[in-house]
Amino acid sequence: ETGVTQTPRHLVMGMTNKKSLKCEQHLGHNAMYWYKQSAKKPLELMFVYSLEERVENNSVPSRFSPECPNSSHLFLHLHTLQPEDSALYLCASSQLQAGSYGYTFGSGTRLTVV
Amino acid sequence: QKEVEQNSGPLSVPEGAIASLNCTYSDRGSQSFFWYRQYSGKSPELIMFIYSNGDKEDGRFTAQLNKASQYVSLLIRDSQPSDSATYLCAVSRGGTSYGKLTFGQGTILTVHP
Repeated sequence: ETGVTQTPRHLVMGMTNKKSLKCEQHLGHNAMYWYKQSAKKPLELMFVYSLEERVENNSVPSRFSPECPNSSHLFLHLHTLQPEDSALYLCASSQLQAGSYGYTFGSGTRLTVV
Repeated sequence: QKEVEQNSGPLSVPEGAIASLNCTYSDRGSQSFFWYRQYSGKSPELIMFIYSNGDKEDGRFTAQLNKASQYVSLLIRDSQPSDSATYLCAVSRGGTSYGKLTFGQGTILTVHP
């Protein structure tokens, strides 16, 4: 496996379900990110982990709960979501000082909340 | 005012023409600038980055940066149908130990044969 891998690729869940999104990076990076991409809107930063420590939480509702057990893995735990949470969820990784080098994105999870 | 603003398009150009994509940003402290390409149903992929005023060329792509005008652009020469995608502009302020990128909403480019 190379790059950034996200699973599952597609997820349909009811509003009362609990599910988790997984992200794994094989690049030796030490920062990881969750972004939400909705139609007609810019990518929205949700969470940032730097050296496994959460350094940013952009006012994300508590029904989204991130977890970063080590520098290679990132999870997004989902519970009691709303239909408006349906979107493409993208994981990305970078080296520190990624302001210089940008991100590598995973392929995303297309989430539909019914 | 949006932090990073792009014309959403769609921008339509004929094959072989130059496609010009524009982006403005509001934060004068921005230091690094990126262009990502996103095909429909796929994730964004980095195609260019630029830090200094002026032009930076990579194959058919040229990024142009003017910090005084808070403006960054991407030129695609000899456009091909395979260049049809959404192009995302992103900026980073720097000053942190990690790279927080702020994205524009993207410009849809269509290259027609």
